[in-house]
Parts: sequence; C-alpha cells; structure tokens
Amino acid sequence: GIQVEQSPPDLILQEGANSTLRCNFSDSVNNLQWFHQNPWGQLINLFYIPSGTKQNGRLSATTVATERYSLLYISSSQTTDSGVYFCAVHASGGSYIPTFGRGTSLIVHP
Amino acid sequence: GAGVSQSPSNKVTEKGKDVELRCDPISGHTALYWYRQSLGQGLEFLIYFQGNSAPDKSGLPSDRFSAERTGGSVSTLTIQRTQQEDSAVYLCASSLGGVGTEAFFGQGTRLTVV
Repeated sequence: GIQVEQSPPDLILQEGANSTLRCNFSDSVNNLQWFHQNPWGQLINLFYIPSGTKQNGRLSATTVATERYSLLYISSSQTTDSGVYFCAVHASGGSYIPTFGRGTSLIVHP
Repeated sequence: GAGVSQSPSNKVTEKGKDVELRCDPISGHTALYWYRQSLGQGLEFLIYFQGNSAPDKSGLPSDRFSAERTGGSVSTLTIQRTQQEDSAVYLCASSLGGVGTEAFFGQGTRLTVV
C-alpha cells in the first residue's frame, strides 16, 4: 500500500518562530488532509488539499501532487500550536481509507 | 449532529472482559472509519463502513475485534476478552463517502485494560 512519511518527527520552537512540516507519499493520491492533534487527543482538521495552496490565518499548506509531497507552514508560532501534526492521504485507484503518516510532534515554548 | 460523537470518553476494564465503544457520525455522512492510536503512535486503521456495502475489515488485529453499523448511522466497536495490549485511544471518523472525501474525527475513547 501507499507509504506516508512525515518530517521532522520532532520539532521544538520558540514562540514567534516559523516552521515547515513535510509529508512525502509514495504513490499518486486523490486527497490529502492535514490534522492537528491537540494535547487532549482531539484531531482537528486543518486543510483538505489534494493539490495547490491554501491559507488559513497563520497556517498555510501546499501540495504538489505530481512530485508527491505536501508542506505545512506555520508562521509566528504560538504555544497553542503545540501538539502532533498528521498528514493523511487517499491513494488513487479508488481508495476509500485515509492512510496516516506517523506525525510531527511540535512543542512551542513561550 | 454537529460533529462525530464517541462514547464513553474513557473506559477502564479488567483483562478478559468485553467492551463496546460507540460512534455517532455526522448526520448525512455515509462513510465511517475506526482507527486505533496507541500511546505516542500514529493512527492504525481498523475497519471501514460505506453505506450498506460490506465493511472493509482488513485492519482488525484479531477475531476478538468486531464492529457493526446499524441503519447506516451509529456504529459499535466490540472487543471481546480484552488484553492489556488493547489499551489505546479508539478514534472514529466519518465522511460524505466516495473517493477522497474529507474525514472528520470524534474525540476518541481512551480504553485502559488493567
């Protein structure tokens, strides 16, 4: 099946710093989602982005489907950004089941 | 409902007992997924329901695990004869169905087997 790799696995930032998280996938996809899992375990939808670029406040994401990667940008990070960021993809060819990467654990210090 | 609802939020059970976990998807969503997340790990797919079609059970780790979905809405995940390695957070998600549709997750059930 499709492989999803996220990097870096861990990231520690000072409040106000910018960061870029990466998601690589091994096959073509027809959907890609970014989630933030907060410290209480809730998965929050950030972006539904099979291709192109989207922005939502301090967060933005870009997916280059032809090159099989997606990037999540966090600008002016805040302590509330702490948590784990997951990328999930639906492989092309009629896949109905999102496959998740192992996540990037982010800690933002005040 | 407004979002995916799971119950209970927390469950502590003794080894060997059976447990049932419930998921109420977003109204109108035909697809429903169960995942398991062990401490500090990623999400492991368990089972997928789409409408009235036969479920995809390919992720269930053993025959102690089963799930059903009644009336195309509420789903119950049952774990029989629980083991300590079953301790994890069980997450449910739903989507409109069809290829590549956006999934939304519930808050999860934290299962602890003692």
